[in-house]
Amino acid sequence: NAGVTQTPKFQVLKTGQSMTLQCAQDMNHNSMYWYRQDPGMGLRLIYYSASEGTTDKGEVPNGYNVSRLNKREFSLRLESAAPSQTSVYFCASRAQGFEFFGPGTRLTVL
Amino acid sequence: GQQLNQSPQSMFIQEGEDVSMNCTSSSIFNTWLWYKQDPGEGPVLLIALYKAGELTSNGRLTAQFGITRKDSFLNISASIPSDVGIYFCAGQLIAGGTSYGKLTFGQGTILTVHP
Repeated sequence: NAGVTQTPKFQVLKTGQSMTLQCAQDMNHNSMYWYRQDPGMGLRLIYYSASEGTTDKGEVPNGYNVSRLNKREFSLRLESAAPSQTSVYFCASRAQGFEFFGPGTRLTVL
Repeated sequence: GQQLNQSPQSMFIQEGEDVSMNCTSSSIFNTWLWYKQDPGEGPVLLIALYKAGELTSNGRLTAQFGITRKDSFLNISASIPSDVGIYFCAGQLIAGGTSYGKLTFGQGTILTVHP
């Protein structure tokens, strides 16, 4: 039982490049989330998926897209990376009213 | 949007000291959560609070759900070096008729414990 897994752990992009962050959970949770963490800002919700087949914008969705591929997988895509998207990205799934977080992806956009 | 103010932003303490941190909100919540993030890892849930006035302990940690539903407190007693990390509060409001509520996170308290 791995919980929430994320790939890659680290990534460096040039401005304008695209990439997809992968997330999977093996806990059979319905809801999944993408957050970004910046110093002094806490965790801010980018997108979420309350159940398979649905996605909704969170607090900071601009510049991102998501896909809920199936119940297990929820990916986050940056179509044209910008330096402002340098951050640590966390995927999470929910049960019992709270989020279980993955280990994070540390993304740097040059 | 909803705002959570968490304080202090950082703390430097000696091993064995007690620690207190708190979160205040401009809005009411019906769930308060406290998470800890170890360096290089994702946040892990420490304590969940579901009722105004509730006081809950988890080992050396004690958290309280404020009576006004707009604040919460976390205390750590007799700190040890492995308490180092970032502590986050999070509030959730579940609207009537739904079972889903998004979390709003505080900015985090960075705790450093000197041996």
